[in-house]
Amino acid sequence: KAGVTQTPRYLIKTRGQQVTLSCSPISGHRSVSWYQQTPGQGLQFLFEYFSETQRNKGNFPGRFSGRQFSNSRSEMNVSTLELGDSALYLCASSLAGGSNTEAFFGQGTRLTVV
Amino acid sequence: GESVGLHLPTLSVQEGDNSIINCAYSNSASDYFIWYKQESGKGPQFIIDIRSNMDKRQGQRVTVLLNKTVKHLSLQIAATQPGDSAVYFCAEKRGGYQKVTFGTGTKLQVIP
Repeated sequence: KAGVTQTPRYLIKTRGQQVTLSCSPISGHRSVSWYQQTPGQGLQFLFEYFSETQRNKGNFPGRFSGRQFSNSRSEMNVSTLELGDSALYLCASSLAGGSNTEAFFGQGTRLTVV
Repeated sequence: GESVGLHLPTLSVQEGDNSIINCAYSNSASDYFIWYKQESGKGPQFIIDIRSNMDKRQGQRVTVLLNKTVKHLSLQIAATQPGDSAVYFCAEKRGGYQKVTFGTGTKLQVIP
C-alpha cells in the first residue's frame, strides 16, 4: 500500500511568486492536513480537509490556501511568496476525520524562497 | 500559543540503555496525546498514542505514560538502539478533529 505522496520534493521560488504543492493521500483516506515546519516555529498546522471541505484552519495569512478534490488528493497554494515561507511543507492523511484515527505523514516538500 | 512543550532539547543515551523523553501540556481538553519520531529528511512517523482517559499504554519497546494531575506525558524507549536516533515530538489532538498540535521536539542521540 503506497504511503502519502507529496510532489515536488524540492522547490525553489522567487519572492513574489506563487507556488502549488500536491499531496496524494493513502488510498481510502479522506482527511488531508497540511503543516509547515521551520527551525524557528517548529511544526505548525495550516489546514485540514475532509470530503472536499476545509474543516480546520491554523493561524496563517490568507496567502496560504488549499483545496481537496473528489479523489481526496489535495493541493495547497501560497501566493506572493515571502522569504519567511521557506520551510518543509508536510501533508498528512488519515482514514477518517476523527481524532482517534492515526495521521500518516508524507516526506514533505522543501520550499526555498530566494 | 502551543499547548505542549518539551523539557529538554537534546537527550544523549548509551546504546542498550532505556530512554525517557518528557513533555508537559497545558490544555486539559485534549482527546489524544501522540508521540512522533522524525528522522532527517523524513516526515513525522507515528510511534504511539494514548487516549486522554488512560494512564499508560505499551507498544513494541515503547511505553507512554500520562499523568493528568500534573499534565505530564512521557515516552519510554527500552533498550535504545542507534536506529532510535531522531527528533521526538509529543503532540495532541482535541475536539474530535485531525488537527495535530506539536511540541518543540527532543533530539535523541544514541551513543554506540
